[in-house]
Amino acid sequence: ILNVEQSPQSLHVQEGDSTNFTCSFPSSNFYALHWYRWETAKSPEALFVMTLNGDEKKKGRISATLNTKEGYSYLYIKGSQPEDSATYLCAFTGTGNQFYFGTGTSLTVIP
Amino acid sequence: KAGVTQTPRYLIKTRGQQVTLSCSPISGHRSVSWYQQTPGQGLQFLFEYFSETQRNKGNFPGRFSGRQFSNSRSEMNVSTLELGDSALYLCASTISGGGETQYFGPGTRLLVL
Repeated sequence: ILNVEQSPQSLHVQEGDSTNFTCSFPSSNFYALHWYRWETAKSPEALFVMTLNGDEKKKGRISATLNTKEGYSYLYIKGSQPEDSATYLCAFTGTGNQFYFGTGTSLTVIP
Repeated sequence: KAGVTQTPRYLIKTRGQQVTLSCSPISGHRSVSWYQQTPGQGLQFLFEYFSETQRNKGNFPGRFSGRQFSNSRSEMNVSTLELGDSALYLCASTISGGGETQYFGPGTRLLVL
């Protein structure tokens, strides 16, 4: 069984705070690491896909980094806003192309 | 372009019954994957279909099955429902399924009584 772990499980921050989450995955047979945002009552929405060690991706106030050698990725949110409240999922794909999802980090941004 | 659609959105069944869920992928997408989400669990992979063939299968009992049609629409079937099958079932589509970004539907919430 392939384990993808995310921490913390949940997070409450004040509006304007910056925050970050961690995704840990196997460092062998790596193909890609995906980040999704999942708001309540909506479909998971793709944020980033990263394939190369050292990759950094940015979308507005959200950015992500990737370290495939040690098997982790960080997602950063700068200046959190209430609309950032969601569950953030990471997913590892290996050479078999199957997606392995973590259990997610639930973020609540308090106005 | 229309997104991934799933029907029905909500379903209530009783133990022992069977259920069929439907997923229509984004136009042009040929790969459809199915996932189960239960409280406290991540998305658990059920199976993936590509060009009407099951290409990958997760660790679920044989009561869970699926198929894909020539228009890439997919169905999953659960027979002899158990209480533990109560979950949100999501499908996701990609163009070819090669580890690329998956686009998710809104899910079907199944409650087994």
